[in-house]
Amino acid sequence: NAGVMQNPRHLVRRRGQEARLRCSPMKGHSHVYWYRQLPEEGLKFMVYLQKENIIDESGMPKERFSAEFPKEGPSILRIQQVVRGDSAAYFCASSVNIQETQYFGPGTRLLVL
Amino acid sequence: KNEVEQSPQNLTAQEGEFITINCSYSVGISALHWLQQHPGGGIVSLFMLSSGKKKHGRLIATINIQEKHSSLHITASHPRDSAVYICAVYRGDTDKLIFGTGTRLQVFP
Repeated sequence: NAGVMQNPRHLVRRRGQEARLRCSPMKGHSHVYWYRQLPEEGLKFMVYLQKENIIDESGMPKERFSAEFPKEGPSILRIQQVVRGDSAAYFCASSVNIQETQYFGPGTRLLVL
Repeated sequence: KNEVEQSPQNLTAQEGEFITINCSYSVGISALHWLQQHPGGGIVSLFMLSSGKKKHGRLIATINIQEKHSSLHITASHPRDSAVYICAVYRGDTDKLIFGTGTRLQVFP
């Protein structure tokens, strides 16, 4: 049973470009969470999704950020018109059910030039 | 003030020492996670607990719900235990984790 997969592991974008981060949860997990870790800071919740539904996006910046978890395929975190302040590590986690153990992916390190 | 506080922020130890990392929280919770973040950045879930004590190998986690406090203990520490240890809580019946800022542990041979 493969763990949580994230790709790419590293992503470099220039200011103004779009970044797409992908997360495939563990098999049998229908709950996906995205977290951001800014340099030298702790993890912060961004969004919680179940298949085809956004359950809680209270941690998402109001503009430029969106997330989806389609019926088929991975969850996608999309950042439009990236700025230098978006440079961070973005982690995805999945769980079998709400408030169960979350299993983390290896993260995507985004660098905006 | 953060809702989840960890102490100490940094900790150094000699191989073989007994390590304790503390986590205090100010909100009602339904469960608490202890996570380990390796120097390369990967995050591993060590424990999730809502009461009492759990043990896995050399790691022991305890929680006191009344005192809003949890501890992570490492017995017979080893250099490979060097990592950042993060406490995170599920607040009440919410669906998101609230994280402490982490404790950076370095174990020297």
